[in-house]
Amino acid sequence: GAVVSQHPSWVICKSGTSVKIECRSLDFQATTMFWYRQFPKQSLMLMATSNEGSKATYEQGVEKDKFLINHASLTLSTLTVTSAHPEDSSFYICSARSRSYGYTFGSGTRLTVV
Amino acid sequence: KQEVTQIPAALSVPEGENLVLNCSFTDSAIYNLQWFRQDPGKGLTSLLLIQSSQREQTSGRLNASLDKSSGRSTLYIAASQPGDSATYLCAVPNNAGNMLTFGGGTRLMVKP
Repeated sequence: GAVVSQHPSWVICKSGTSVKIECRSLDFQATTMFWYRQFPKQSLMLMATSNEGSKATYEQGVEKDKFLINHASLTLSTLTVTSAHPEDSSFYICSARSRSYGYTFGSGTRLTVV
Repeated sequence: KQEVTQIPAALSVPEGENLVLNCSFTDSAIYNLQWFRQDPGKGLTSLLLIQSSQREQTSGRLNASLDKSSGRSTLYIAASQPGDSATYLCAVPNNAGNMLTFGGGTRLMVKP
């Protein structure tokens, strides 16, 4: 089946620093990847859609300068949380879509900003 | 705008019971429907993908049905086990296939 690898699984950073999260499709090419944020005991909230070779599409209320997305190849998308603050602490999950398997999700990244 | 609802929000059962989780959606013009499982602090694991032309899909002890006309899908779990304890989410893509709408999930606890 389709596999999406997400790294790191958890990260702790100091306030004001930037953190990069990687999302890779291992056995299929993904022209589109998705980035979600999840708060405790809540469902996933779509942040942005990452398109290979073009700019990401951000959902309303998501700051594109805060959450930088780069989709440089058909198998890799990155989310960089810039100048992180404690309110950015959350669980971030990426996803990619394939024709055969629908949406496949990464294992998520727990970000804690101290 | 598509809205997806899952009932019940939480469920606690003894081991061995057969379970039915419900998912309803407001726009029946869906491309497919997908059921996921999420363990605490983890990502989502795809369980079953039902195309719009299909009525059901089976994987092991799991069976998912789809009734597009009524806007419903059910996930049937046979002979539940403690390892089945997790949150179960259903989701449908928009027509362009570039966005998933999730239900609120059903938090399942199977007691030994």
